[in-house]
Amino acid sequence: DIQMTQSPSSLSSSVGDRVTITCRASQTINNYLNWYQQKPGKAPKLLIYAASSLHGGVPSRFSGSGSGTDFTLTISSLQPEDFATYYCQQSFNSPRTFGQGTKVEIK
Amino acid sequence: QVQLVQSGAEVKKPGASVKVSCKASGYPFTSYGFSWVRQAPGQGLEWMGWISPYNGNTDYAQNLQGRVTMTTDTSTSTVYMELRSLTSDDTAVYYCIREAQVGPSIFFLFWGQGTLVTVSS
Repeated sequence: DIQMTQSPSSLSSSVGDRVTITCRASQTINNYLNWYQQKPGKAPKLLIYAASSLHGGVPSRFSGSGSGTDFTLTISSLQPEDFATYYCQQSFNSPRTFGQGTKVEIK
Repeated sequence: QVQLVQSGAEVKKPGASVKVSCKASGYPFTSYGFSWVRQAPGQGLEWMGWISPYNGNTDYAQNLQGRVTMTTDTSTSTVYMELRSLTSDDTAVYYCIREAQVGPSIFFLFWGQGTLVTVSS
């Protein structure tokens, strides 16, 4: 199975800060990497697919990059509604594993 | 618009089985695959498996092989996930997800509201 490792596991930031979350795959997954946002008590929502393609309706302050084994999710200017947990997920092969999540909290 | 409506919360005793349903609407049911993902309290997301409504093909997570069965009913556009021999470790919110695909990239686009399954004696 491909292991997905996110870092950090949690972070505290202020509104307006630039935030970067990394995701590393245990083997190459080309660009088959998706990012999701989950708020407490809610189902996750798709933010980015294929490593860097922004899903429709997602604010442009979210961006993704990377290929192979190393990927990043960047929030250019953190907004109050962005405080949530973020997950990466690979769709290169089965099982479609997730990272352990990164919780973004208010400083 | 695409909607996935899951069945309600369940409380089961250890050793029992649970069957969660997910009714899809708003698109041709057999056109896209479904995955099931679960989330234990305070924990991350765990992929459980996949089913094709087109031909019934399945792909299950190895740690659940032999305990999980996913099925579809095309007449009602409903997907089912049955999990047997429940233990307290199976206490979780279970999500039904309709996949989407752009080129070779597959992702989890539409999520059901989740079904809480509690296993307790």
